[in-house]
Amino acid sequence: QVQLQESGPRLVKSSQTLSLTCTVSGVSVNSGAYYWSWVRRHPGKGLEYIAYIFFNGDTYFNPSLQSRVTMSVDTSMNEFSLRLTSVTAADTAIYYCARFVWSRPHFDFWGQGTLVTVSS
Amino acid sequence: QAVLTQPPSVSAAPGQKVTISCSGSASNVGSNAVSWYQHLPEAAPKLLIYDNDKRPSGIPDRFSASKSGTSATLGITGLQPGDEADYFCGTRDSGLGGLVIFGGGTKLTVL
Repeated sequence: QVQLQESGPRLVKSSQTLSLTCTVSGVSVNSGAYYWSWVRRHPGKGLEYIAYIFFNGDTYFNPSLQSRVTMSVDTSMNEFSLRLTSVTAADTAIYYCARFVWSRPHFDFWGQGTLVTVSS
Repeated sequence: QAVLTQPPSVSAAPGQKVTISCSGSASNVGSNAVSWYQHLPEAAPKLLIYDNDKRPSGIPDRFSASKSGTSATLGITGLQPGDEADYFCGTRDSGLGGLVIFGGGTKLTVL
């Protein structure tokens, strides 16, 4: 059973850095068949893709966020992480980690999500 | 504004059928596989359909989808109260460097 679980601070001050970790179980992040991704949903709005990473560290970012986003993967802990710098109120959202299948693009397993609020 | 266009809302009575459209362009829906997601309140999004019309294991056949040209459609038959949720289509946009994109979402109300 593939499971993903987000963790990290739920409250971040404006201009600071949002950091989240996704712990994966039931599959190795070393698997060459999948990418590991972050997606967010702003309150009352739609889904927004943030970025994904491959086990070898290759990453692909949403161009609208690229200048502020970094991702990393820790194969020893079977987890991957997101850092979003210089946050503003516009970054308040529910952040989901998910497994991404590149070939027929879709997200097949998702974490429960974590609401991150940016305060002034 | 989302690149993929979905109706903001649809509604139908229990037991009825509803369809949700997802309109895009040649660079996204027209040339890449479409997926569909159900997002219930306080829950993780759930994959309903991938590769245009394939259901993951565990998804009932009440959910179906198709694609024609630059549009895709999700169909739900035998509506149940538990189907009330937001539904999103998603794909990749080859014209935007392979960016993964979603529709704006459709709120399904089961009357």
